[in-house]
Amino acid sequence: SSELTQDPAVSVALGQTVRITCQGDSLRSYYASWYQQKPGQAPVVVTYGKNNRPSGIPDRFSGSSSGNTASLTITGAQAEDEADYYCNSRDSSGNHRVFGGGTKLTVL
Amino acid sequence: QVQLQESGPGLVKPSGTLSLTCAVFGGSISSSNWWSWVRQPPGKGLEWIGEIYDSGSTNYNPSLKSRVTISVDKSKNQFSLKLGSVTAADTAVYYCARLGGSTGAFDIWGQGTMVTVSS
Repeated sequence: SSELTQDPAVSVALGQTVRITCQGDSLRSYYASWYQQKPGQAPVVVTYGKNNRPSGIPDRFSGSSSGNTASLTITGAQAEDEADYYCNSRDSSGNHRVFGGGTKLTVL
Repeated sequence: QVQLQESGPGLVKPSGTLSLTCAVFGGSISSSNWWSWVRQPPGKGLEWIGEIYDSGSTNYNPSLKSRVTISVDKSKNQFSLKLGSVTAADTAVYYCARLGGSTGAFDIWGQGTMVTVSS
């Protein structure tokens, strides 16, 4: 079982805003990073740290954190954002990394 | 630009040992980063297996620790994964990834390699 909990599936209308959440006690101490994975492809980091994006990631992707919850927000979702999204952080011990179970995002 | 490339057998027999190597291209493995292995069973989510620093320091997923060894070969600019006593539950796509020292995120991934455990 994962120490980081995500909703299995979320949907959003094209052009609307969606928030994908990740819950876990360790998130009170450590930032999460977020990964987008499309079928047959390796994951790609979309946000990390307090709210940082790697170069090449559109600014419609943003990250935030409050208490035991980390969030990935997509402002103005596009068809190409349909994918699986995973959060990652340290576990409660701080010595190991852990992924959330993943959220399948459908863009309607 | 750093790139990672996994290699190793695509088929392993039950109770055998899974062995994979990740070659680092375009940069040095001795670059203040952690180097990780992540796997994904068919149709399922990502699972962190473990990581190694260029000093040789390692951390492993507690659920796999008894069966996993990750090592680094600086002379070949690569790191390796060994997973023993494999079963069908170890069938997965195995990725190597860099945990960037400045980002704290898995910022570079290999393309992944499918390993099937079957007799």
